[in-house]
Order: sequence, then C-alpha cells, then structure tokens
Amino acid sequence: QQPVQSPQAVILREGEDAVINCSSSKALYSVHWYRQKHGEAPVFLMILLKGGEQKGHDKISASFNEKKQQSSLYLTASQLSYSGTYFCGTPKGTGANNLFFGTGTRLTVIP
Amino acid sequence: KAGVTQTPRYLIKTRGQQVTLSCSPISGHRSVSWYQQTPGQGLQFLFEYFSETQRNKGNFPGRFSGRQFSNSRSEMNVSTLELGDSALYLCASSPRDSVYNEQFFGPGTRLTVL
Repeated sequence: QQPVQSPQAVILREGEDAVINCSSSKALYSVHWYRQKHGEAPVFLMILLKGGEQKGHDKISASFNEKKQQSSLYLTASQLSYSGTYFCGTPKGTGANNLFFGTGTRLTVIP
Repeated sequence: KAGVTQTPRYLIKTRGQQVTLSCSPISGHRSVSWYQQTPGQGLQFLFEYFSETQRNKGNFPGRFSGRQFSNSRSEMNVSTLELGDSALYLCASSPRDSVYNEQFFGPGTRLTVL
C-alpha cells in the first residue's frame, strides 16, 4: 500500500524547478504532501482530492491524475528554504489521519 | 496556540523492556495518529484514535498498542522491545475526521533499544 516516489533525491540550484512524483498501485481518493526538514517534524503542504479539489499553500502546486493513480508536486523557482524531504501520503480509508507515506524525496537546494 | 507535544523526547531501553510514550494534541483536536520513522522503512502509520476509539491500525504486531483519553491525550505502548523498534515515534493531531484534514506533527520521541 505504500506509494512510490521518484526521484529519490534531487539537487537544485536556487531558482531552478523540480517535479516530485508519487504513484500508487491502488485507487486513490486523495493524496497528501508533507515536507520534513532535517531534525524537524513533517509539515503539511497540500491535499489533493479526487474530483480536483485542492487545499494547501499558495506557493505550492500539485496535480492529481486519478486514472493513473499518480500525483506530482511542482516546485518552481526554488529557494534554499525548500530543502528537505518530501513525502506523499495516501489514506487507508476516506479520512486523512491514517496516511501511508511514500519513501520520500530528498531535495537539496544550493546557492 | 501550543503545538503538539510529546514526552519524553529521548528514551533508551533494553531489549525485552516495555515503554510508554505520550502525546498531547493541539487544544481542540480530537484525532491523534501515531507514526514510526526509521531510515530504512521511512514513515509508517501505526494507529489512529478519534474520540477515544481506535479508528485505523497499520501493519504492526500486537506489541504496539495505544489509547486515547477523554481529553484527547494519547499514549502508545510497546511491549517486549526489540532492537528493530529503535526509531523516531511521531504523533500527529487534527481537529476532526475529515478528508480535508491536515495533520500537525509533534517533535517526536527518539527511542533507542539496546
């Protein structure tokens, strides 16, 4: 049930763009994205629901392809503060408090 | 508003012992979920409590158990500790059981089993 993320790691220079992908072998009702900085707790970024609804931070964008059971997180004009590990999560049920997280994508932004 | 708090922050135990970890959610939040984080397995869902009832459970052995009190505070217990239980244990709270929920994570309890 654990979603698969790609790439596993990426290094960017400030101002560059990146895409992080998340795919699941089972039908998805929603996809949740979190970012965890080193030594800190994960922080919510975005929720994408089947049907196109989204809830999240203004500076983060993402897509959700229900047919392909995939989601992508788009990081544009990256800043140093974007560094961290990004996790996508898919719920066991229809709620949002029981997430099966992907393996994570480590993003490093360098000056 | 105070964030999610977890106690203790660090714990060292030996194999065979048991341990209890505590989580105090954000005031007003009724849902508490627990996750185990290790370098090898990543973030894994343990269980979720809502209004004192376990709503969902991950794929962990029965040695891992939890409960939630009427004030929404939650505890998780691991009995007969194994070396592989060494991990960061995170709890997360959210206000209700809704598909729109974002979870607020606590700083975690770092458990080391020797």
